[in-house]
Amino acid sequence: EIQLEESGGGLMQPGGSMRLSCAASGFAVRNNYMTWVRQAPGKGLEWVSLIYGSETTYYADSVRGRFTISRDSSKNTVYFQMNNLRPEDTAIYYCARSSGKWFDPWGQGTLVTVSS
Amino acid sequence: EIVMTQSPATLSVSPGERATLSCRASQTISSDLAWYQQRPGQAPRLLIFGASTRAAGIPARFSGSGSGTEFSLTISSLMSEDFAVYYCQQYNNWPKYTFGQGTKLESK
Repeated sequence: EIQLEESGGGLMQPGGSMRLSCAASGFAVRNNYMTWVRQAPGKGLEWVSLIYGSETTYYADSVRGRFTISRDSSKNTVYFQMNNLRPEDTAIYYCARSSGKWFDPWGQGTLVTVSS
Repeated sequence: EIVMTQSPATLSVSPGERATLSCRASQTISSDLAWYQQRPGQAPRLLIFGASTRAAGIPARFSGSGSGTEFSLTISSLMSEDFAVYYCQQYNNWPKYTFGQGTKLESK
């Protein structure tokens, strides 16, 4: 069974850093496009980052220069390093496997709250 | 950026009836559209890709149509578990994926 499990969320002050993890099972992250999508409380979905191939990465304008996506094939895990956090980064962060086009499946998400 | 606009924001339909949700793209996206269902407290789930192809395990009562800028998701006979929020997503402007703001389907 293909599964994704995020962890690492919590409460952080503005300007702080946090690293999210997405552990995959049932498939190899190194052979797939992997993405992060976030959802602010009560709001819609926003794509934020993608990794594929030999570490090719893309970011939404809202996070570029502050957030970094990476993966560890030996642990079959994708990471999301978030620096210089802002209150507007408060959201549930979902990890998802991608075909490069649509997203399937999704993890259950991890909540990141940025507040003083 | 391609803006995706969904309508209506909320749709009230009785169980057993048909529901049709709409999604419009700000520029043509061919058939590069996916639909997702999000139940309360859960992660989104892929329903449709390529505008009209059902994902694995999705019941036949879900169908998608459209191309270019106008798309729709139809649920032929609503069941209790179908009341949720639905999002469309374009992938034509890869990798600048964008989602619609969602349509909440509620029970009348």
